[in-house]
Amino acid sequence: EAGVAQSPRYKIIEKRQSVAFWCNPISGHATLYWYQQILGQGPKLLIQFQNNGVVDDSQLPKDRFSAERLKGVDSTLKIQPAKLEDSAVYLCASSLDKGTSGAKDTQYFGPGTRLTVL
Amino acid sequence: QQPVQSPQAVILREGEDAVINCSSSKALYSVHWYRQKHGEAPVFLMILLKGGEQKGHEKISASFNEKKQQSSLYLTASQLSYSGTYFCGTEDSGGSNYKLTFGKGTLLTVNP
Repeated sequence: EAGVAQSPRYKIIEKRQSVAFWCNPISGHATLYWYQQILGQGPKLLIQFQNNGVVDDSQLPKDRFSAERLKGVDSTLKIQPAKLEDSAVYLCASSLDKGTSGAKDTQYFGPGTRLTVL
Repeated sequence: QQPVQSPQAVILREGEDAVINCSSSKALYSVHWYRQKHGEAPVFLMILLKGGEQKGHEKISASFNEKKQQSSLYLTASQLSYSGTYFCGTEDSGGSNYKLTFGKGTLLTVNP
């Protein structure tokens, strides 16, 4: 079974530039998550999709971050414009369940995109 | 609210045991444990559910004290491959969405 795919693996940009990340979840997984992991910290949830609808985006800085999951499969996360503090690894994860409370399904993580903002 | 993990770091010799703790100030529905090696994605280890159900890795065990909102991960007879950062992710009881909040991690180093 293929895992969660992400691209690019690395990206270096200057502040105020734009950047986009792509994620393809495990086939058949209904729920997709984007996390931000700053060096030395645990992953922080940015946005959660159930199929192609947003379930939770309470921690997404909406003035600069946006995400979409068209057709309920792959997803893109965009930052525009980037700030120095956006330097982090952006992880995508997916799970089989429908995102309801009392989850019993595992989240499977992709390899992440390491973003450096200069 | 972010769960608190302890210790922050631990160094072992191969074959020794370790315990990693995770505690929350909120009532929990489930606790999920992951291991992340440097530069790699977090890898699932274990889910502990309210009511006692567990799912996960055969060689790693864990406990979940619902009353104290605490979980502990037990690594016995450690191997070099156990090295990495261990994260717990907690799901609050009563949440309307399946949402994990991760701790800051515990760095485990196993030396020969």
